[in-house]
Amino acid sequence: SAVISQKPSRDICQRGTSLTIQCQVDSQVTMMFWYRQQPGQSLTLIATANQGSEATYESGFVIDKFPISRPNLTFSTLTVSNMSPEDSSIYLCSVLPTGTSGNTIYFGEGSWLTVV
Amino acid sequence: EDKVVQSPLSLVVHEGDTVTLNCSYEVTNFRSLLWYKQEKKAPTFLFMLTSSGIEKKSGRLSSILDKKELSSILNITATQTGDSAIYLCAPFEGGKLIFGQGTELSVKP
Repeated sequence: SAVISQKPSRDICQRGTSLTIQCQVDSQVTMMFWYRQQPGQSLTLIATANQGSEATYESGFVIDKFPISRPNLTFSTLTVSNMSPEDSSIYLCSVLPTGTSGNTIYFGEGSWLTVV
Repeated sequence: EDKVVQSPLSLVVHEGDTVTLNCSYEVTNFRSLLWYKQEKKAPTFLFMLTSSGIEKKSGRLSSILDKKELSSILNITATQTGDSAIYLCAPFEGGKLIFGQGTELSVKP
């Protein structure tokens, strides 16, 4: 498995501002992902964070709104830009550890954002 | 379009009951199916299933995959209040997990 630390765990943000969420893993991982979970909804994949190159975004998500960085194999950031109340969600970092026999993906504790 | 459907959406039982949660999926490049338990924020991993008909067990929880029927079930025996959570199934397809809407289980004392 992998130990995943996300910061901040919770924040209240003003409309129109941007916030960057950090995800740190205690070991090198093959893949890192960012998910969003809106209130009462299931998890939706935002993008796959690629080391050293641009993230791969899912339909409905764009780089201008959710810029992602992954400078190395253990760290990634997700920025939620120009926030609106509709962006109030839990944002979850998840990883596929290197050497995992199979496709077990682990999740960080999540970052709960409330936009007012 | 890929689709994952879980049933029931919610379930209320009493301690000691046995429950069966269902997951059906339609994905194009299926590799495996994962079950997670979500209590507060982060989903915690329960099982990964890759082969049909092979039951995986962990204490009172067990799960099995049926690739022919494109489905999986999660069983919880002798439920406890600590089992109250949302249970999520997610096929791993094309390098990503596709989540169902979850089953919200509530176990009453």
